[in-house]
Amino acid sequence: EIVLTQSPGTLSLSPGDRATLSCRASQSVTSKYLAWYQQKPGQAPRLLIYGASSRATGIPDRFSGSGSETHFTLTINRLESEDFAVYYCQQWGDSRWTFGQGTKVEIK
Amino acid sequence: EVQVVESGGGLVQPGGSLRLSCTASGFTFSKSWMTWVRQVPGKGLEWVANINEDGTKIYYVDAVKGRFTISRDNTKNSLYLYMNSLRDEDTAIYYCAKDGQCFDYWGQGTVVTVSS
Repeated sequence: EIVLTQSPGTLSLSPGDRATLSCRASQSVTSKYLAWYQQKPGQAPRLLIYGASSRATGIPDRFSGSGSETHFTLTINRLESEDFAVYYCQQWGDSRWTFGQGTKVEIK
Repeated sequence: EVQVVESGGGLVQPGGSLRLSCTASGFTFSKSWMTWVRQVPGKGLEWVANINEDGTKIYYVDAVKGRFTISRDNTKNSLYLYMNSLRDEDTAIYYCAKDGQCFDYWGQGTVVTVSS
């Protein structure tokens, strides 16, 4: 099973800051099947990025994804109040989906 | 507009059974992989199972193999999760989502509580 490890666990930032979230895989991941999700309390997750770097429909361009093989990054430029949430990376490999444990972006 | 709606959650005793349903609209259900994901409140996401367009390919997380069965009825745009031999650790919010390269549409979830 491919394990995804996200860091940091919590990121304390102010509106207007840049957030850089890391997702590391225990073995090489197919970039086509690497995605990022945002989840707010009481809500279902929302797709942000798929294919490692493609923004989903309606996602603002301050969100960007990059990376390959075992290291992927989600960057959020100019944090807005609605961006404070938990973020998960996800991958498909070995006939199963796995998620990272999540990074919480909180207001400093 | 895409809609994904789960139902069937509730309180069940350990060892019991439950059937979850998911009805989708706004996309071509019969041409889409579908998936179940669960989440213990306050914890992370765990993928449970998925199924391909015609039900010929099915995959499960190890923790539910032999106890849960995923199925679909394309004539009703519906996805199901039959859960048997339920354990305390199966308590979670269960989400249905459209699968593929990623999970692009999600329902709001249905709560399953396993407790005596």
